[in-house]
Amino acid sequence: EDQVTQSPEALRLQEGESSSLNCSYTVSGLRGLFWYRQDPGKGPEFLFTLYSAGEEKEKERLKATLTKKESFLHITAPKPEDSATYLCAVSPTLLYGGSQGNLIFGKGTKLSVKP
Amino acid sequence: DSGVTQTPKHLITATGQRVTLRCSPRSGDLSVYWYQQSLDQGLQFLIQYYNGEERAKGNILERFSAQQFPDLHSELNLSSLELGDSALYFCASSVDRPNNEQFFGPGTRLTVL
Repeated sequence: EDQVTQSPEALRLQEGESSSLNCSYTVSGLRGLFWYRQDPGKGPEFLFTLYSAGEEKEKERLKATLTKKESFLHITAPKPEDSATYLCAVSPTLLYGGSQGNLIFGKGTKLSVKP
Repeated sequence: DSGVTQTPKHLITATGQRVTLRCSPRSGDLSVYWYQQSLDQGLQFLIQYYNGEERAKGNILERFSAQQFPDLHSELNLSSLELGDSALYFCASSVDRPNNEQFFGPGTRLTVL
């Protein structure tokens, strides 16, 4: 069964204290791995797509990396405005190839950054 | 702003009732996805439409149905509502390229009393 597990469930950081969020996945075939940011009561906001092991992408204080079994979202010198829930999702391939296109989400890591 | 719009923002209704949620995708996007987000389950895929045709189904209850119209907007119909249907319902759209980046709307918060 395709599955995405995120850890930790919650993370509290002081402003400027760098850390990493983990996303481990089990899928029959990976079409893409996605990171989203979600603020309370809002829709998920797209951050990154990663396609193959070894790939890295950066945006401001965020950097996403991908291995064959997991992805990391590194946050460098975070600010209070980075506080949000970060969601990881995978788009699995089907056994016969191709994709349905739907995303399988983890339950997220709730990040709090204190000034 | 993702460019995906959803109405209404909030819905409060009673058990047994029927409601319709509406979604307009980003300009140019042919695929529309519906997701349900509850506190204990996280984001769960319900159904996908592509250019008016149903393409994929997730864990969608038989009491729920959806359609996509010629102008590409989509509606999610929820009937015989139960307390457990209270959740945030999100619509997402994509261009349907291989990278399949999905852009989410602001959601509809449904409360069933």
